Amino acid sequence: NAGVMQNPRHLVRRRGQEARLRCSPMKGHSHVYWYRQLPEEGLKFMVYLQKENIIDESGMPKERFSAEFPKEGPSILRIQQVVRGDSAAYFCASSPLLDRNTGELFFGEGSRLTVL
Amino acid sequence: DAKTTQPTSMDCAEGRAANLPCNHSTISGNEYVYWYRQIHSQGPQYIIHGLKNNETNEMASLIITEDRKSSTLILPHATLRDTAVYYCIVRVANFGNEKLTFGTGTRLTIIP
Repeated sequence: NAGVMQNPRHLVRRRGQEARLRCSPMKGHSHVYWYRQLPEEGLKFMVYLQKENIIDESGMPKERFSAEFPKEGPSILRIQQVVRGDSAAYFCASSPLLDRNTGELFFGEGSRLTVL
Repeated sequence: DAKTTQPTSMDCAEGRAANLPCNHSTISGNEYVYWYRQIHSQGPQYIIHGLKNNETNEMASLIITEDRKSSTLILPHATLRDTAVYYCIVRVANFGNEKLTFGTGTRLTIIP
C-alpha cells in the first residue's frame, strides 16, 4: 500500500513564476492537509481539504496561494508569483474516512521549493 | 487545542531508554496527547497517542500522569535512527478534521 506521494520532490523557480505541488493521498484516504516548513522552523498548518471542498484554510496566506482537491486526481497546492520567502518544504498529509479515523495523519516526504 | 511545553533538546546514549517529557497543564477532558517525530528532512511520523491510560506499541510507550497535566514518551532502547525532533501535540480528536498544531518539539540526539 503506497504511502502519501508528493511531487516534485524538489522544485526551483525564479521570482514571479508559478509553483504547483501535487499530493496523492494514501489509498482510501479522502482528507488532505498541507503544511509548510520554513528553514529551521516548525511545521505550520496551511489548509485542509476533502474531495472538491476546502474545509479549513485558516493557515493559508491571503494572496498568491490556493489549493484544490478535485474529484479525480491529486491535490494541488498552487503558489503564484513566487517570492524568495516562499522557499520552504511543503508537506502533505492524509487521513481516512470519518468512521475509520484514529486521529493519525500520514505524511508524505515533502516538496522542497527553492525560489531564486 | 491545549499548549504544550517540551525541552528544546536532549541527548541519550545508544541502547538506553530515551524519556521525553511534555507538559500540558491546560489539557481538557476530551483532548488526546499525540506524539510525532520528524527525522531530518523527512515527513513527520506518527508514534503514539493516548487519552488517559498508558499506551504501548511497537515503537514506544506513552505514560500519562493521573491528572493528565504531563506525559512522557519512552523509547525503550534508543538507536541512532531515533535521532529526530519529537513533537508532543494535544488536541481534541475531532474525527473529520485531524489538523495538528506543531510546536517547536524536542531535538533528541542519540549518542553512539
